[in-house]
Amino acid sequence: AQSVTQPDIHITVSEGASLELRCNYSYGATPYLFWYVQSPGQGLQLLLKYFSGDTLVQGIKGFEAEFKRSQSSFNLRKPSVHWSDAAEYFCAVDPPGGKLIFGQGTELSVKP
Amino acid sequence: GAGVSQSPRYKVAKRGQDVALRCDPISGHVSLFWYQQALGQGPEFLTYFQNEAQLDKSGLPSDRFFAERPEGSVSTLKIQRTQQEDSAVYLCASSLMKGLNTEAFFGQGTRLTVV
Repeated sequence: AQSVTQPDIHITVSEGASLELRCNYSYGATPYLFWYVQSPGQGLQLLLKYFSGDTLVQGIKGFEAEFKRSQSSFNLRKPSVHWSDAAEYFCAVDPPGGKLIFGQGTELSVKP
Repeated sequence: GAGVSQSPRYKVAKRGQDVALRCDPISGHVSLFWYQQALGQGPEFLTYFQNEAQLDKSGLPSDRFFAERPEGSVSTLKIQRTQQEDSAVYLCASSLMKGLNTEAFFGQGTRLTVV
């Protein structure tokens, strides 16, 4: 069965430091991959998505993610974190023609 | 409206009570999804509509859950005889179509608390 694992439940980084959030998926073929962000009391906002082609994907708010087929990973990165980036981040897969399968989420805290 | 609108934002129900949660998708969006997000978890798929047709309801946890979209726009998720385990945030999402390069836009959700 398809699944998504986000190994880190909670991460704290200092403002201005770099960030990497991990995501591993289990799927027989290459799925469509997504990262969403959720601020408290808000819905989910799409940061970026990967369907095919270039394995390094650029998104909004300065985020990027790299698809590594050999590691079944799709890690999210940002070179310099801002206090406003504090939120919950979800990795998701969409088996083509199917519905989104989300990971458990990683809560990001940013300290001054 | 400009985005997906859900109402109510918060709902407290006594165990055994029936509830109805409403979703107004973005105008013109064909696809509509419902997800359930338990505390500390990622959203889990409940059901999917294409226009008024419910094409996938494999995620509905029991026959107490029922969803409809009779005119292909507004959708209602109904939960009968609510139980404590139904407490969660219910998210609605819509997209132009389900498929490549079609982003799903999420509403703010309805937080249901069953007491």
